[in-house]
Amino acid sequence: GENVEQHPSTLSVQEGDSAVIKCTYSDSASNYFPWYKQELGKRPQLIIDIRSNVGEKKDQRIAVTLNKTAKHFSLHITETQPEDSAVYFCAANDFNKFYFGSGTKLNVKP
Amino acid sequence: GAGVSQSPRYKVAKRGQDVALRCDPISGHVSLFWYQQALGQGPEFLTYFQNEAQLDKSGLPSDRFFAERPEGSVSTLKIQRTQQEDSAVYLCASSQRDTEAFFGQGTRLTVV
Repeated sequence: GENVEQHPSTLSVQEGDSAVIKCTYSDSASNYFPWYKQELGKRPQLIIDIRSNVGEKKDQRIAVTLNKTAKHFSLHITETQPEDSAVYFCAANDFNKFYFGSGTKLNVKP
Repeated sequence: GAGVSQSPRYKVAKRGQDVALRCDPISGHVSLFWYQQALGQGPEFLTYFQNEAQLDKSGLPSDRFFAERPEGSVSTLKIQRTQQEDSAVYLCASSQRDTEAFFGQGTRLTVV
């Protein structure tokens, strides 16, 4: 099956700075890569996703890049705000199954 | 309903007790997933249904874990003879094919 690795496990940034979270995957057949945000005690919620036929996608302060050759994808958050503080999970979809990374705890300091 | 619904939200079980966790997916969603999330970790895949067919159960940790979705909608995850290491949040998610997975709020299982 798919193996997704995510780094860093924790990330602390100053409000207004950028944050970057990186993931790698093992199965070249994976074709859909969503990112989820999970606040404490709540369900994971999709914030952005990208398909394998696209190299980059942007939605306001959030962007995702995908390098299929290297099998890695990254989440970029610009102009971070305290409400961005949460745990972020990347995932890879392999034959309709989602495999998740271990999560990155982002702390945005005011 | 508007989203994925799971019940109960919290369950405390004595070691050795059997438990059943329920998931109501979004109406019309073909795919249904169960995940186990330990504290501070990402969701770990348990099993996957497409309609009523259980296509993959490779993530179930032991034969004490059993899942079903007999009519292709509601699903139940059953854990027999619970052990302390089964304590976790059990998340259910549903999706259309190859699209966003929508998660339920999870069931927090504590085995004492």
